[in-house]
Amino acid sequence: EIVLTQSPGTLSLSPGERATLSCRASQSVSSSFLAWYQQKPGQAPRLLIYGASSRATGIPDRFSASGSGTDFTLTISRLEPEDFAVYYCQQYGSSPIFSFGPGTKVDIK
Amino acid sequence: EVQLVESGGGLVQPGGSLRLSCAASGFTFSSYELNWVRQAPGKGLEWISYISRSGPTTHYADSVKGRFTISRDNAKNSLNLQMNSLRVEDTAVYYCARVLPGGAHDYWGQGTLVSVSS
Repeated sequence: EIVLTQSPGTLSLSPGERATLSCRASQSVSSSFLAWYQQKPGQAPRLLIYGASSRATGIPDRFSASGSGTDFTLTISRLEPEDFAVYYCQQYGSSPIFSFGPGTKVDIK
Repeated sequence: EVQLVESGGGLVQPGGSLRLSCAASGFTFSSYELNWVRQAPGKGLEWISYISRSGPTTHYADSVKGRFTISRDNAKNSLNLQMNSLRVEDTAVYYCARVLPGGAHDYWGQGTLVSVSS
């Protein structure tokens, strides 16, 4: 069973700063099957990244992602006020067929 | 515009049943795989069930296997989740989500709250 771990649990930063979020898998994940989401309170998650590094439609280019195998990273180059939220990684294809990481909360310092 | 709208949530006693529905519009429903994902209060996202485009293939998380049944009606653009033997720990917001070929979820409904309590 693949388990996704995200770090840090909480990231306290100021607007304009760079955010680096980590997602680590207990077993290798195909890069094609790794996604990142943003979720704000009271809202459904929003797809940011699919295929480990491809931005979804309408996602600003300050969001970027990379990684392969067991280590993946989401980077927000310069935090905007609307970027303070919880971020989840998600894998597809290995038992369980879909799974999410526990999330990283990015809050205002 | 792609829309997914869940309904059917509510308060139910432990051991009870509930049927959730997700009405889809704005895309060719039969061309997409679909998932149910839930989120307990203050917790993270949990995938619970998958269904293939025409419905013969389904998968479930261990936490709901044998109790929940996913189905779809492509003629009515509708996704369903029959939930039986509900437990307190099933309390959550339940989302339906469209699945891209690589497994990412590109559209989500607004969610429907299921509360299991005596």
